[in-house]
Amino acid sequence: EVQLVESGGGLVKPGGSLRLSCATSGFTFSSYSLNWVRQAPGKGLEWVSLISSGSNFIYYADSVKGRFTISRDNAKNSLYLQMNSLRAEDTALYYCARDRLSNSGSYGIDYWGQGTLVTVSS
Amino acid sequence: QSALTQPASVSGSPGQSITISCTGTSSDVGRYNYVSWYRQHPGRAPKLVIFDVNNRPSGISNRFSGSKSGNTASLTISGLQAEDEADYYCSSYTISSTLVFGGGTKLTVL
Repeated sequence: EVQLVESGGGLVKPGGSLRLSCATSGFTFSSYSLNWVRQAPGKGLEWVSLISSGSNFIYYADSVKGRFTISRDNAKNSLYLQMNSLRAEDTALYYCARDRLSNSGSYGIDYWGQGTLVTVSS
Repeated sequence: QSALTQPASVSGSPGQSITISCTGTSSDVGRYNYVSWYRQHPGRAPKLVIFDVNNRPSGISNRFSGSKSGNTASLTISGLQAEDEADYYCSSYTISSTLVFGGGTKLTVL
């Protein structure tokens, strides 16, 4: 069974930093691209970032470019999101999500974690 | 990258069919057959119901079907059931190799 479990969310002040983690199991981690997708309270889904299976291709949404860094550790079957210079508008539930394909881009999500909540507030 | 356009809400009675549209541009929906649809019940993570325009993952009812014409993709749910009441989102691969979602549609089963 494919499982993705996020952690690391919490309350942080504007301008602060947070590192999210996603532990996975049930599939060959090193063969899949992975995404972070977020959902602000009561709002829709917003794609945040993708990292390809071998970390060769990395993409970010314009809203987080230059502030967030995605990374992965294939030996630990884990995905990460380093978030710096956080803003109130970054407040959201952050989902770790497996891409359907292992190509160089983001083609759609086939499995989702349950999410970790990030709240940016003073 | 602007969000894909979906109607805010649709409704239907049990047993009826409904269709949700998802309009993009020639840089995403119109260019690629990588449109997916997701169902999200309140407080739950999204679940994939259609991928690559008109393919159903294993375990998804054949009451769910997808199509595309030009820059607009559509999700049709036939034989509506109470359990279908949820938020539905579309997504598309884009010319920038990124993913873009629709704004979401709330389906109400009357």
